[in-house]
Amino acid sequence: DAMVIQNPRYQVTQFGKPVTLSCSQTLNHNVMYWYQQKSSQAPKLLFHYYDKDFNNEADTPDNFQSRRPNTSFCFLDIRSPGLGDAAMYLCATSRRGAGENEKLFFGSGTQLSVL
Amino acid sequence: AQSVTQLGSHVSVSEGALVLLRCNYSSSVPPYLFWYVQYPNQGLQLLLKYTTGATLVKGINGFEAEFKKSETSFHLTKPSAHMSDAAEYFCAVSAYPLGSQGNLIFGKGTKLSVKP
Repeated sequence: DAMVIQNPRYQVTQFGKPVTLSCSQTLNHNVMYWYQQKSSQAPKLLFHYYDKDFNNEADTPDNFQSRRPNTSFCFLDIRSPGLGDAAMYLCATSRRGAGENEKLFFGSGTQLSVL
Repeated sequence: AQSVTQLGSHVSVSEGALVLLRCNYSSSVPPYLFWYVQYPNQGLQLLLKYTTGATLVKGINGFEAEFKKSETSFHLTKPSAHMSDAAEYFCAVSAYPLGSQGNLIFGKGTKLSVKP
């Protein structure tokens, strides 16, 4: 029944070593989001895709990139992870244009550790 | 600009007691307000939302919240806490009615503990 699936649940990488987090959805939603949630902090939107249109938040570091090869999958690439990038990364989806029924569906997150 | 302040990073109640989680917001436009819950090792789940209309909003699991414009508040309540309510709760504000564009501004969260 899982609708927004994030793999892996835990990811460990080394300082400066590129890492990719993945998100897939079975909802056929047209929007996919990536949030960063550091310990004891609020989730912070990094960027989102509306279909194939990429929308970057103004304060998202260049170190963070995203790819959406098709409707179902979206990837978060961190080119050179620093210690400050250790966080929970949450993927979410929604169907824009669904009116009052539109809402965000979140995955369980990937906890990234940087050594 | 919008912001959210959640008073109390940790709240502890006894099972059966009233749950009150506080949220105050700041918004330059009429706000749309949300409460999300995050259980351990899970993603965020929408509890309830206020867009327009009735200021008392009922959500899932017996929770409700009241929008008070004069107090810029959107506190979350539940009359009787259950052990399964132990989780982290996030208040969020958006300038858009459904928050669907991801432009949700989240508070820092309140961890609710429920004692037997």
